Amino acid sequence: EAQVTQNPRYLITVTGKKLTVTCSQNMNHEYMSWYRQDPGLGLRQIYYSMNVEVTDKGDVPEGYKVSRKEKRNFPLILESPSPNQTSLYFCASSFRQGGHEQYFGPGTRLTVT
Amino acid sequence: GENVEQHPSTLSVQEGDSAVIKCTYSDSASNYFPWYKQELGKRPQLIIDIRSNVGEKKDQRIAVTLNKTAKHFSLHITETQPEDSAVYFCAAVGDDKIIFGKGTRLHILP
Repeated sequence: EAQVTQNPRYLITVTGKKLTVTCSQNMNHEYMSWYRQDPGLGLRQIYYSMNVEVTDKGDVPEGYKVSRKEKRNFPLILESPSPNQTSLYFCASSFRQGGHEQYFGPGTRLTVT
Repeated sequence: GENVEQHPSTLSVQEGDSAVIKCTYSDSASNYFPWYKQELGKRPQLIIDIRSNVGEKKDQRIAVTLNKTAKHFSLHITETQPEDSAVYFCAAVGDDKIIFGKGTRLHILP
């Protein structure tokens, strides 16, 4: 089944404790992206990757890192999480760069205390 | 920075009536305009999209119109049904970045 998976789905952590949210797709998509969703703010792009070893900042990259060592994986890293990073995070992938349907993962609800 | 404005933020319509959601964008390089539907507790899913060389596209009860000169595009849902209740997001896409609107919560009233 074609899908985007994220882990974990729920995470409660403390300020400053490094964490990684994994994202994987099995559709051989070139383009992958991370978003955060906050009430009243919609979906905001954090980072995106147009292919392996190519990553770029979206609108809200501060406090996040990403890597794209393999085509299927695009982990999101929070080196030192802070409470303002409490949010719902979605990973998404598409066949090619932005002008194609985005397939979203199930979301990761992160709480930083 | 680039921006997409979406209106209204909340919309209530009687079942069977039509709903219209409007978006404007600022980046003239945008060339792809998708609409996503997000049901409560679920992930966003594409419902319809339009490219810059097309003025209108229809898929059953859903249609999208694009006015490139005005940098404006709209989602039209006719004969609304209870399952249309959700949050709808528009987006404007250039070569790489994707900018979403803030969303419209659509309520279908019985």
